[in-house]
Amino acid sequence: EAQVTQNPRYLITVTGKKLTVTCSQNMNHEYMSWYRQDPGLGLRQIYYSMNVEVTDKGDVPEGYKVSRKEKRNFPLILESPSPNQTSLYFCASSAFDPGQKEKLFFGSGTQLSVL
Amino acid sequence: EDQVTQSPEALRLQEGESSSLNCSYTVSGLRGLFWYRQDPGKGPEFLFTLYSAGEEKEKERLKATLTKKESFLHITAPKPEDSATYLCAVQTSGTYKYIFGTGTRLKVLA
Repeated sequence: EAQVTQNPRYLITVTGKKLTVTCSQNMNHEYMSWYRQDPGLGLRQIYYSMNVEVTDKGDVPEGYKVSRKEKRNFPLILESPSPNQTSLYFCASSAFDPGQKEKLFFGSGTQLSVL
Repeated sequence: EDQVTQSPEALRLQEGESSSLNCSYTVSGLRGLFWYRQDPGKGPEFLFTLYSAGEEKEKERLKATLTKKESFLHITAPKPEDSATYLCAVQTSGTYKYIFGTGTRLKVLA
């Protein structure tokens, strides 16, 4: 089954404790991206990657890191989480073809609470 | 500044009462405009892609249209199962970033 898998589904942590949210896709997609969703602000793109070893900042990259060492994985790293990073996070992937407009496939989300 | 604005923020319809959702956008370059449906506690699911003015796409009771400044999602004779949040997004040309609107929460009453 084609899917984007995020882990964990729920995470409660404390300020300053480094954490990683994993994201994996089994569709051989080139494009992967991370979003946070907050009430009244909608989905905002954090980082995206168009292929292995290629990453770019979205609209809200501050406080986050990503890496793309393998095509299928795109982890989101919070090295020193703060309470304002409490949010619902989504990973998404799509094929990438300059001549096509490919749809995003989303994971089920990670609800993060930073105390 | 690239921006996507959706209206209304929330909409309540009686079953069978047709309506339209609006997505207006200002971007430096449009690669594509997308509509997604999001159910509570789940990730968004793809509905439509549009990329040139005048284009229309249909799926069951939904029809999406695109002009140079906005897109509409028309819902014909909605059913309670159409209740969800509908998200509009644009992908910018050149940078390939995605910008989402804040969504329209649709509630269809039986």
